[in-house]
Amino acid sequence: DADVTQTPRNRITKTGKRIMLECSQTKGHDRMYWYRQDPGLGLRLIYYSFDVKDINKGEISDGYSVSRQAQAKFSLSLESAIPNQTALYFCATSGGGYGYTFGSGTRLTVV
Amino acid sequence: AQSVTQLDSQVPVFEEAPVELRCNYSSSVSVYLFWYVQYPNQGLQLLLKYLSGSTLVKGINGFEAEFNKSQTSFHLRKPSVHISDTAEYFCAVSDYGAAGNKLTFGGGTRVLVKP
Repeated sequence: DADVTQTPRNRITKTGKRIMLECSQTKGHDRMYWYRQDPGLGLRLIYYSFDVKDINKGEISDGYSVSRQAQAKFSLSLESAIPNQTALYFCATSGGGYGYTFGSGTRLTVV
Repeated sequence: AQSVTQLDSQVPVFEEAPVELRCNYSSSVSVYLFWYVQYPNQGLQLLLKYLSGSTLVKGINGFEAEFNKSQTSFHLRKPSVHISDTAEYFCAVSDYGAAGNKLTFGGGTRVLVKP
């Protein structure tokens, strides 16, 4: 099994729909992150969590929300999807200071 | 606030030729530096990292990078590339201050290795 598992791998949804992207990790790390990848912009941080009771906004949190259900689970929700949220979304986990372990990504298309 | 600039968005290179990918960063605090690689339709994989010590860092697949504090750069090099090195490469920086170790990424450099 992968260290960081993201579901679904691909999703097409309609404008205005609510959608949840899920992430689970088996690394035993406390820190989890959601990033968004767009061509030419690299990865941008949406939300991050340093433990179950700690949730923080990243640089592009508008239109998104998160839930840290357990140490191993961190979900990202789009409350009302819009076309410019079409992107590749990555979840990652970190043990602190030494780089991340990434999931394989969720490709989201909003039509 | 930190920022990372990757100076080339695309780098075409012939097989067995050398390649250098440029990365400059800005930060008001000391940093950790990373290079990640993303192969087509895959997630990001760590190539190498600089935490402290020697400024020349060796990574996987024959890549190396040199940290230059005075120029705030962390350029990635490989002396002889293979077709399989075709991928997108991301430079990233993380501070190790009180705010934690969030990674800030550059925009990526797409490397296309030609036969």
